[in-house]
Amino acid sequence: DQQVKQNSPSLSVQEGRISILNCDYTNSMFDYFLWYKKYPAEGPTFLISISSIKDKNEDGRFTVFLNKSAKHLSLHIVPSQPGDSAVYFCAARPNRDDKIIFGKGTRLHILP
Amino acid sequence: EAQVTQNPRYLITVTGKKLTVTCSQNMNHEYMSWYRQDPGLGLRQIYYSMNVEVTDKGDVPEGYKVSRKEKRNFPLILESPSPNQTSLYFCASSPLTGGGETQYFGPGTRLLVL
Repeated sequence: DQQVKQNSPSLSVQEGRISILNCDYTNSMFDYFLWYKKYPAEGPTFLISISSIKDKNEDGRFTVFLNKSAKHLSLHIVPSQPGDSAVYFCAARPNRDDKIIFGKGTRLHILP
Repeated sequence: EAQVTQNPRYLITVTGKKLTVTCSQNMNHEYMSWYRQDPGLGLRQIYYSMNVEVTDKGDVPEGYKVSRKEKRNFPLILESPSPNQTSLYFCASSPLTGGGETQYFGPGTRLLVL
């Protein structure tokens, strides 16, 4: 039973437009949520995180929104750039000292 | 340079032949973890460790062992590999301080078990 769900295996977005990647979770005990980006033949790299006490965290072109009542978070990338083409993993952990649970990932294609 | 290193990067082996994949980090991180990535399944945690001599099972620990004798090293041991352990493996480390802390991932080890 998946606790972290990324229901879109892939997403294509025009360069310059907004990319929105979605993630749903089932465990209300999750305290921290993270997004990772992965290029082929490389390990995932951390992108942005959000604590459950916040509803928004912004870092440059990347913003993560958290809706606790809906158990939903989203990653917004604006404007989208060619280098953003990658697989994006949503992840969650119940507290800072516990295991991290990843979603299956969403492959983002930025179209020229 | 802060990094997580894994060796080997690629490995082909046969069923039943014991193997070890090493992982080392130079950031003095307390938390280390092993994941496997499979098509359609994303990243699944195998084992994790919150400090020396402290290890715990992740979501898919069957068929794997780990040890944490030193803070910097966290080897993954496959005592008797089977074809269903063919996968891409990632080691990761992170500090245990604060909230939303990040994990640093190694470059991955691609394993093929024949």
